[in-house]
Parts: sequence; structure tokens; C-alpha cells
Amino acid sequence: GENVEQHPSTLSVQEGDSAVIKCTYSDSASNYFPWYKQELGKRPQLIIDIRSNVGEKKDQRIAVTLNKTAKHFSLHITETQPEDSAVYFCAAARSNSGYALNFGKGTSLLVTP
Amino acid sequence: NAGVTQTPKFQVLKTGQSMTLQCAQDMNHEYMSWYRQDPGMGLRLIHYSVGAGITDQGEVPNGYNVSRSTTEDFPLRLLSAAPSQTSVYFCASSYTASGGADTQYFGPGTRLTVL
Repeated sequence: GENVEQHPSTLSVQEGDSAVIKCTYSDSASNYFPWYKQELGKRPQLIIDIRSNVGEKKDQRIAVTLNKTAKHFSLHITETQPEDSAVYFCAAARSNSGYALNFGKGTSLLVTP
Repeated sequence: NAGVTQTPKFQVLKTGQSMTLQCAQDMNHEYMSWYRQDPGMGLRLIHYSVGAGITDQGEVPNGYNVSRSTTEDFPLRLLSAAPSQTSVYFCASSYTASGGADTQYFGPGTRLTVL
């Protein structure tokens, strides 16, 4: 089955700095890669996603890159703000498996003012 | 639309008891899935369904049963609860049309404790 590894497990940055979280996956058939943000006691919320036919996607301060050959993808958050503090999860999924998600173990991001 | 709903929000069971976690969605989504979330483990896929009458196992299916008799509902059954099943359970669904087949919408979760 799919194995998704995520690094680092914790990340502390100062407000205004950039944060980068990296994930690798094992199943070459995976073709959908979302990122979720989860605040304490709440459900995961999709923040950005990328499909295997795209190498990069950006949405305001958030960007995701995908390298299919190396089987890794990354989340980039620029100009971080204290409200970005949360746990971030990467995931990989296949369209022929109902897009059921295989998650990384998460990165706890702390943005200090 | 209510989106994805889950009941109950909290549940305490004794070892060996059985129960069903309910999940329903009113968005006419074809795909539904169940995940459990444990501290430090992220979310792990238990079972998923690509349509009514079709289910398949995920990463951690042991101890759980599912069925999908309607498009709207995807209940998760614990046949004989064990302390190792103490977790937060999330249900999710996604659509198949051009509006976004892959985006998963999560329910609010059920916090289950097995004593």
C-alpha cells in the first residue's frame, strides 16, 4: 500500500518567515496530493491540493510543488502569521481508489510573533 | 446543505461492547471513507466506498465493518470494542462530477473511548 512520510514533525518560525514542509510517497499510481490544516479539536481543512499532471500550484501565501520522478511534494507558506499555527498533513490518493487518502503523520507548525 | 454529519460526537464504551458510528452526507457524493486519528499517528484510512454497495479496506480495517446501502450513509461498526480502538474517528466524502471528484470533505469527528 501507499506510504507517505512527512518532515519535519515540528517546525517553529518567526512571524513573516517562510515555512516548508516536505513529503514523500511510495505508490507511483498516486495522482492526487492534498494538504490539510488541522487546528486543535477540529476537523482537517483542505488548504491546497495538486494533481499529478501539474508541477506547481499557488494560492496567495501558500504554494505546493510536486516532483513525480522523485515522488515528493512540498508545502511552502510565505509571510507566516500566528494564525498559521496548526498541524499540517500531507496526503496522497489514487483516483481508482475513490481518492481515499493516505496521510503523513503531520507537522506541528508554530509561528511566533 | 448540512455537509458531512457524524453521530455521536462523544462515546464511551466498555471492552467487548459493540456500536455503530453514523456518517451521513447530503451532497450526493459517491465516495465516502472512514479515518481514525491517534496522537502522533496522523489519520489512517479504515475503510472506503466508491458507491452504494461497494466497499474496500484501507490501512487499518481490523475490528471494523462497513456497509453502504445508500449513497447518503456510510456507518462504521465496531463489533467488539477494544481499548486500542480509542481514537477520534472522521468520516469524509467527495464527489465525482466535474465540480471536484477528489476534494474530500470531512465530518466533525466522533471521539471514542474504550475502557
